Amino acid sequence: SQQGEEDPQALSIQEGENATMNCSYKTSINNLQWYRQNSGRGLVHLILIRSNEREKHSGRLRVTLDTSKKSSSLLITASRAADTASYFCATVPEYGNKLVFGAGTILRVKS
Amino acid sequence: GAGVSQSPSNKVTEKGKDVELRCDPISGHTALYWYRQSLGQGLEFLIYFQGNSAPDKSGLPSDRFSAERTGGSVSTLTIQRTQQEDSAVYLCASSLRSGQTGSTLAKNIQYFGAGTRLSVL
Repeated sequence: SQQGEEDPQALSIQEGENATMNCSYKTSINNLQWYRQNSGRGLVHLILIRSNEREKHSGRLRVTLDTSKKSSSLLITASRAADTASYFCATVPEYGNKLVFGAGTILRVKS
Repeated sequence: GAGVSQSPSNKVTEKGKDVELRCDPISGHTALYWYRQSLGQGLEFLIYFQGNSAPDKSGLPSDRFSAERTGGSVSTLTIQRTQQEDSAVYLCASSLRSGQTGSTLAKNIQYFGAGTRLSVL
């Protein structure tokens, strides 16, 4: 069963605006990752945040993690049309090796 | 190779036929995963290989599904007697090593192939 639940399911914004996606999970984790998927094909890893980290940045991406609420958010600043994709969070359990993916957020950036 | 390679990229088959999907992971990656993604849905874990250990088959939906990994490299996912509900994109991913602590953490990162889109008519 999927652990991560993303919201919103779909998000449509104008180019230049910020996009925020949220992810909630159920069990204790070792780390949480965000992936992007274009056109329903392969996923590309974006960023990994460990359970003892609260915030991480990579370029225009900012990820936060709140383990007390079992939630994470992905912020994409100054969005571009090329950011249009599906975004998935995935968790690695505290005891285990498998990534467990959420259902994803579909982001559309209009130019 | 430079990335994870999957073949075929598209497969159309008739209900009841068997299909084989192939995954060629990144050279040196010891962990290999198969996922299934139905239209507009998230990824459903199917099976996981780690080195020479027994595979984790806990995600296989029925005994019609099987997978093997020969020589610790190429993997084949076989679906017997295909059904229409098997139609989906089948994604393969590999990672350097499954690990939890310290410098091995980054090795949890998975690298995905482009997938095989299976259509069962």
